[in-house]
Amino acid sequence: SQTIHQWPATLVQPVGSPLSLECTVEGTSNPNLYWYRQAAGRGLQLLFYSVGIGQISSEVPQNLSASRPQDRQFILSSKKLLLSDSGFYLCAWSVFSGLNTEAFFGQGTRLTVV
Amino acid sequence: GQQVMQIPQYQHVQEGEDFTTYCNSSTTLSNIQWYKQRPGGHPVFLIQLVKSGEVKKQKRLTFQFGEAKKNSSLHITATQTTDVGTYFCASTNAGKSTFGDGTTLTVKP
Repeated sequence: SQTIHQWPATLVQPVGSPLSLECTVEGTSNPNLYWYRQAAGRGLQLLFYSVGIGQISSEVPQNLSASRPQDRQFILSSKKLLLSDSGFYLCAWSVFSGLNTEAFFGQGTRLTVV
Repeated sequence: GQQVMQIPQYQHVQEGEDFTTYCNSSTTLSNIQWYKQRPGGHPVFLIQLVKSGEVKKQKRLTFQFGEAKKNSSLHITATQTTDVGTYFCASTNAGKSTFGDGTTLTVKP
């Protein structure tokens, strides 16, 4: 069965510090991978998505970047965090096969920038 | 790209009352997915609709996809406290899923 691992679960970082959030998927090959951010009480904002190794699409200009060094690994990074980067970060995967488009989410990382 | 607008943003109901959330798009959607996110949790897939006019039921939940495939609704009959959370609609195109802002449901026991 497929599983998705996202860590850490919570993170408190000072302004100006770097960030690295990692997400890995098991039990599937060539998944579509996504990073979403959810501000408190708000919806899901798509940050990045990837359809293959090294292929990253950025949805919104921001202080973050993403990389996919391996088929089932997706990393969200920042060189210098801003206060506005605080939020709930969710990694997700899907396998787009015909009509099946269900997305599976990781447990999320709650980032607080202080 | 596809955008989906969701209303209302919040809904407070008394336990036993019904609840409906609506998802609308200005463009024709190829599909609609619905997710539920419990407080403090992550979104969990509920169902997908792909056909015009499609209606699907899961116990007290009824999902509809409009005839023009531009809107969808989720209706919960006789809400329970376990229904609390945020309900999201989403649509996927070329492998990319776009989510609505969600409707947060609170239920008074």
